[in-house]
Amino acid sequence: AQKVTQAQTEISVVEKEDVTLDCVYETRDTTYYLFWYKQPPSGELVFLIRRNSFDEQNEISGRYSWNFQKSTSSFNFTITASQVVDSAVYFCALSRNAGGTSYGKLTFGQGTILTVHP
Amino acid sequence: EADIYQTPRYLVIGTGKKITLECSQTMGHDKMYWYQQDPGMELHLIHYSYGVNSTEKGDLSSESTVSRIRTEHFPLTLESARPSHTSQYLCASSEYGPLHFGNGTRLTVT
Repeated sequence: AQKVTQAQTEISVVEKEDVTLDCVYETRDTTYYLFWYKQPPSGELVFLIRRNSFDEQNEISGRYSWNFQKSTSSFNFTITASQVVDSAVYFCALSRNAGGTSYGKLTFGQGTILTVHP
Repeated sequence: EADIYQTPRYLVIGTGKKITLECSQTMGHDKMYWYQQDPGMELHLIHYSYGVNSTEKGDLSSESTVSRIRTEHFPLTLESARPSHTSQYLCASSEYGPLHFGNGTRLTVT
């Protein structure tokens, strides 16, 4: 069985602070995908990043960065110099890497509500 | 960029009514999915489809049913709505890339 845990239910920061969202996962698969999605108040989930379990390189995209550590089964997400527009619910998710529809069959974490105050 | 549309955006309905939540996508994706998001925020897969005339149940048991008669259309039906069905329902589609989600339907059953 797969499981994703986001231990932080809510985080509140002041604009320009850095913030890290934690994600820990469990899977028996040797290959898998990890994702981060953002859910703004409008409701849709917006894709942020996908990481293949073979690729442990960290990634930076603008103010966003991701730290994937297979040894600790963690895939943490950092926002540098947070902005009010970053306020949203952030979900970490896991899927099997077994081809076909497994790619879209995601196991989500519980989500972290991020509030950035001006 | 996938375009995926869900209607209605909000629905309040009484117990026992039959409802259909609509989901359409314009990108020709074969794979489509329904996720249920409970008030505690967690999302669970309830249905998915490989393509036309293909439907499967997801990880979370659901009393809803789906159909896939056309590639672009993946409606979800509840034959008799109950308060326990109150939730947000999110539709998604993909080919081999990340899922693209619609805005969701927030269903309240009174």
